[in-house]
Amino acid sequence: SAVISQKPSRDICQRGTSLTIQCQVDSQVTMMFWYRQQPGQSLTLIATANQGSEATYESGFVIDKFPISRPNLTFSTLTVSNMSPEDSSIYLCSVEIYNPDRGSVTEAFFGQGTRLTVV
Amino acid sequence: DAKTTQPTSMDCAEGRAANLPCNHSTISGNEYVYWYRQIHSQGPQYIIHGLKNNETNEMASLIITEDRKSSTLILPHATLRDTAVYYCIVRDSNTDKLIFGTGTRLQVFP
Repeated sequence: SAVISQKPSRDICQRGTSLTIQCQVDSQVTMMFWYRQQPGQSLTLIATANQGSEATYESGFVIDKFPISRPNLTFSTLTVSNMSPEDSSIYLCSVEIYNPDRGSVTEAFFGQGTRLTVV
Repeated sequence: DAKTTQPTSMDCAEGRAANLPCNHSTISGNEYVYWYRQIHSQGPQYIIHGLKNNETNEMASLIITEDRKSSTLILPHATLRDTAVYYCIVRDSNTDKLIFGTGTRLQVFP
């Protein structure tokens, strides 16, 4: 299993500012992801955080708006830049671990999320 | 896009079995079905997964039809703490990504 710590757990920010969210995992993992969950909605994948190279973004998400760092196999950050009220969401970090005890498939673990409110 | 469709919401009496259906008619032969749940204000939690055989663990059972186009998650004795949104996910074999659908909001009542 994996224990994921996200900081901050919540924040209220002024529009036009930026917020950096940290994700720390208690073990080295290859696959690390960032999701967004808008109010009352399901999770949407933002990007895959790649260690040692640029993140891979999903359609509709760009690096200028959501820069991601992945300096090592246990840590990543997501920045929400130039925020507007539409960015108010929960942002979740996720890791996937290959688990031979669970039928040799990868299992995803999620952080508790960062609840962001932009005013 | 998500490869699954689920009912928006369901109710279940405490102590009874909760049966949550999921349709995945476009599933490919090597794609797994995963179930996660999200309790309010928490990150999603893994429940169970399967390929074609029925599976059971300490949390739930997963019944997959023979043609693999649908499945049912069974919580044998639902408790109030099982109130959550349940997501049925087919991992995309091309991208290997978990794409979440809208999920089923299960309300367990006393």
